[in-house]
Formats: sequence, structure tokens, C-alpha cells
Amino acid sequence: NAGVTQTPKFQVLKTGQSMTLQCAQDMNHEYMSWYRQDPGMGLRLIHYSVGAGITDQGEVPNGYNVSRSTTEDFPLRLLSAAPSQTSVYFCASSSTGNEQFFGPGTRLTVL
Amino acid sequence: AQSVTQPDIHITVSEGASLELRCNYSYGATPYLFWYVQSPGQGLQLLLKYFSGDTLVQGIKGFEAEFKRSQSSFNLRKPSVHWSDAAEYFCAVGALANAGKSTFGDGTTLTVKP
Repeated sequence: NAGVTQTPKFQVLKTGQSMTLQCAQDMNHEYMSWYRQDPGMGLRLIHYSVGAGITDQGEVPNGYNVSRSTTEDFPLRLLSAAPSQTSVYFCASSSTGNEQFFGPGTRLTVL
Repeated sequence: AQSVTQPDIHITVSEGASLELRCNYSYGATPYLFWYVQSPGQGLQLLLKYFSGDTLVQGIKGFEAEFKRSQSSFNLRKPSVHWSDAAEYFCAVGALANAGKSTFGDGTTLTVKP
């Protein structure tokens, strides 16, 4: 039982490049979320999903896309990376009435 | 809109001393409250949660928190801090039906002096 896994752990991009951050969970949780963590700002919700095929925007969705084709996977796409997207990204999953389980994070630097 | 305020950005306590980390929330319905801990370079780990029942909840590592609806607070406490408790602590509020849409405070960094 791996819990929530994220790949890659580290990534450096140039401005304008695109990439996908991967997130997978093996707990059959219906809810999955992406957060970004910046110094002194806690975690801010980017996008979340309440089940396969259903996604919605969080607090800071601009510049990011998500899809949820299966219960297990919830990839986050950066369409055209900008330096303001330099951050640590966390994926989390949860089920009704329970807390979120977090992945180890992806540290992204955009030059 | 839901929000969480952690008034203390940084707290320093001596090992063995007691600890209280403050958390105030704003939420339109019955809140579902959490405290998470994050060690450097790591993900978040749940310390404890509250959604109903006894307002004093016990968590892992000897932590407890008290829900006070009248004060919109959910403060975290520990009677005797250990050096290994040095970390960043986050309070969060969400809906019982969907913890995936939780709102987090900005965090409190705890330093433990020997």
C-alpha cells in the first residue's frame, strides 16, 4: 500500500515549457486535490476532484489544468511555465468524513 | 468563504516546556478541523482532527486540541515538548463531505531550544 505517490520529486523548467506532474493513490479515495506551498503562505488549493470525470477550480487555478480519468490518477499540467509557478506542489487524497493523505511533494523551479 | 488564521508565524520553546499553537477559523457551517505537521522537506502528516463530539481531541505524538465554537478557535497543545517536535504546524478547515477542499493557515514554525 503506497498511499499517495508523486513524480517527479524535483523538476527545473524554462519559462514557456509545459510539463505534467503525476499523482496516484491506491486507497480508492474519491477526492483528490493539488496544492502549492510557498514560503509563509501555507498551502493554497489549485484544483480538486470529487470523483473520476469531475474536477473543479480551487483558489489559484490559473496556468494549471487537471483531468481525472480514473479514481487513482490526478495529473496536474502546467501549460506554459512561468517563474511565478516556482513552488512545492503537493497532491492529496481523501474519502468522505476523513482527513487528507498527502504525497511527498514535487519541488518545481521555473527559470 | 472559509479561512484560517494562525497568528504566530514562529514560536520558540524550551525542551520540556508546554506548547500552545493558536488557530482561528471562519466557516459558514459546522467545521471539520485539522492540525497537520510538516518536517523539513517532507509532506504533511495528520496530528488530529475534529468534526463532532467531545471538544477536546487527542492526537498522535502527545498532542491535543480543543474546539471552542464561541471563539472560533482550535488551538493545539502539548504539555511537554520534545526536540523532535521542531517542525511547521498547519491548521486547516474543511467540509465533512469533502476534506479535499480544505483551507489551510499560513503555518507556525516551532523551534525547540535544548
